[in-house]
Amino acid sequence: GQSLEQPSEVTAVEGAIVQINCTYQTSGFYGLSWYQQHDGGAPTFLSYNALDGLEETGRFSSFLSRSDSYGYLLLQELQMKDSASYFCASNTGTASKLTFGTGTRLQVTL
Amino acid sequence: ETGVTQTPRHLVMGMTNKKSLKCEQHLGHNAMYWYKQSAKKPLELMFVYSLEERVENNSVPSRFSPECPNSSHLFLHLHTLQPEDSALYLCASSQSGAWNEQFFGPGTRLTVL
Repeated sequence: GQSLEQPSEVTAVEGAIVQINCTYQTSGFYGLSWYQQHDGGAPTFLSYNALDGLEETGRFSSFLSRSDSYGYLLLQELQMKDSASYFCASNTGTASKLTFGTGTRLQVTL
Repeated sequence: ETGVTQTPRHLVMGMTNKKSLKCEQHLGHNAMYWYKQSAKKPLELMFVYSLEERVENNSVPSRFSPECPNSSHLFLHLHTLQPEDSALYLCASSQSGAWNEQFFGPGTRLTVL
């Protein structure tokens, strides 16, 4: 089956920049998405990369390298409210089937 | 508010009970999904409906039975569940074709005794 690997936890200071990596298995890969989930909340969509390169949306950017089967989410000017779990997800093989990564718990400290 | 609602938000049931989870989306989407989220595990896709037809059934036990009567509503019927089925059940919707951009409901926290 498909799998996506992420670091389990990352800690960063308010105002800093943090990068959350995601490596995935290929075979019929369509693209890589990122979702944010606060404790007790629902996952919310952040970004999607179908092509190689960087996509920027405000303080968040997402990068994809298909040749390396690798992507990352970059969070700039970290705020306390960014403390949450972040999941990468891909649809591989079947476009309608989204497989989520193991999730990275980001803790932003003062 | 994401435009996707789920009821109930919390459910406690015995292994012999039958219950149903309900999901409704107000976004005009035509694809709906059920996911299971257990502690310390990734979200697991259970079912996908596109244009009211089931297009994915991710090897889910038959004690879980989905129903999609129209593009706005999705149900998950539960019967003879096991304690290991205790989890957060999340519903999501999207436009078919925009599979990567899904909108999630708040989930139903299910406890099976």
